[in-house]
Amino acid sequence: EVQLLESGGGWVQAGGSLRLSCAASGFTFSNYAMNWVRQARGKGLEWVSSMSASGDSTHYAESVKGRVTISRDNSNNTLYLQMNSLRAQDTAIYYCARPLNMIHMAGNFDYWGQGTLVTVSS
Amino acid sequence: QSVLTQPPSVSATPGQEVTISCSGSSSNIGNNYVSWYQQFPGTAPKLLIYDNNKRPSGIPDRFSGSKSGASATLGITGLQTGDEADYYCGTWDSSLSAGMFGGGTKLTVL
Repeated sequence: EVQLLESGGGWVQAGGSLRLSCAASGFTFSNYAMNWVRQARGKGLEWVSSMSASGDSTHYAESVKGRVTISRDNSNNTLYLQMNSLRAQDTAIYYCARPLNMIHMAGNFDYWGQGTLVTVSS
Repeated sequence: QSVLTQPPSVSATPGQEVTISCSGSSSNIGNNYVSWYQQFPGTAPKLLIYDNNKRPSGIPDRFSGSKSGASATLGITGLQTGDEADYYCGTWDSSLSAGMFGGGTKLTVL
């Protein structure tokens, strides 16, 4: 059974940093690109970042570019999101998500974690 | 404000059919696959449609997807009260090299 389990969320002051983790199991992690998607309370989904299966290609939303770094450890089946210079607008539930097909970098997300809440206090 | 435009809300009665539109541009919907997601309050989104019109295993055929040009549509037939949820379209934007979602549509089954 495919499982994605996020952790690392919490409360942080504006300007601070957090590192989110997503532990994957039930599939060959190193074969799939992985993504982070966030959702502010009462708002819609916002794609944040994606990383290729091998880790050699990354993409970021303009809203986080330069402040966020996606990375992965294929030996430990874990995806990370390092978030720096956090702003109140970054407050959201952060989900990791896996594309349905190994050929896709993003989209067609068939598995999602339960999410981890990041709260940035100004 | 989302690059992909969805109506904020739609409503219909049980048994009826409803469609939800998602409008984009040539750089996103026009040249990339569209997926659709269903989300209930407090839960993660669930993939309903991928590659414009394909249904993952376990998704009933009451749900359908289509795409024409830079617009996509999710159709739901035989509406049930359990279909009340938020629905999102998603795709990739080749110009921005970024993923994106529509703003979401709240479906009310009266």
